[in-house]
Amino acid sequence: DGGITQSPKYLFRKEGQNVTLSCEQNLNHDAMYWYRQDPGQGLRLIYYSQIVNDFQKGDIAEGYSVSREKKESFPLTVTSAQKNPTAFYLCASSMRGAAYEQYFGPGTRLTVT
Amino acid sequence: KNQVEQSPQSLIILEGKNCTLQCNYTVSPFSNLRWYKQDTGRGPVSLTIMTFSENTKSNGRYTATLDADTKQSSLHITASQLSDSASYICVWVKNRDDKIIFGKGTRLHILP
Repeated sequence: DGGITQSPKYLFRKEGQNVTLSCEQNLNHDAMYWYRQDPGQGLRLIYYSQIVNDFQKGDIAEGYSVSREKKESFPLTVTSAQKNPTAFYLCASSMRGAAYEQYFGPGTRLTVT
Repeated sequence: KNQVEQSPQSLIILEGKNCTLQCNYTVSPFSNLRWYKQDTGRGPVSLTIMTFSENTKSNGRYTATLDADTKQSSLHITASQLSDSASYICVWVKNRDDKIIFGKGTRLHILP
């Protein structure tokens, strides 16, 4: 899992509540990413950030929000607007953009009931 | 249709046997093609990264090949071990567009 940590490992929430997933890296990487993984699906990009205080929507950004106030941190908030939030969430970082190898965190499994 | 297709979807083999996983992609050109190993409930870990000019790369018992003409890549695992039980994900990358496309993965089960 390299120098990327995600917490918590498991998270349970009631429908209608917002929840924030933590992602921290000590690799001094500029770029950070959030992916969602569902059974039988490839990883899908939610948001990514190439530099502090800047981020872009990925393919499935609706119902999610992020911030990048510090280089080492890229928290993801799953809002009540996300219709199907139960999934495995993976954070990744790379030195800069897609040209560089991505390192993934251990993931957070979110269950919303 | 997914732009990165992997086959088979799942595979069961006996410990000690070899196996080959396939990845076909329809998008081009690309900058590099990657293979990751993902243990259940964990994040993916990089196995190999090949640029479009490379046609083979090894990492221990793992050997990836790339045929840019036919847009196919394969991951060969030699002398499989129980710890090889995992999902293997093929990833297409285009640097210029900062585009990364993940395959759905092949789930490999190694039986003792």
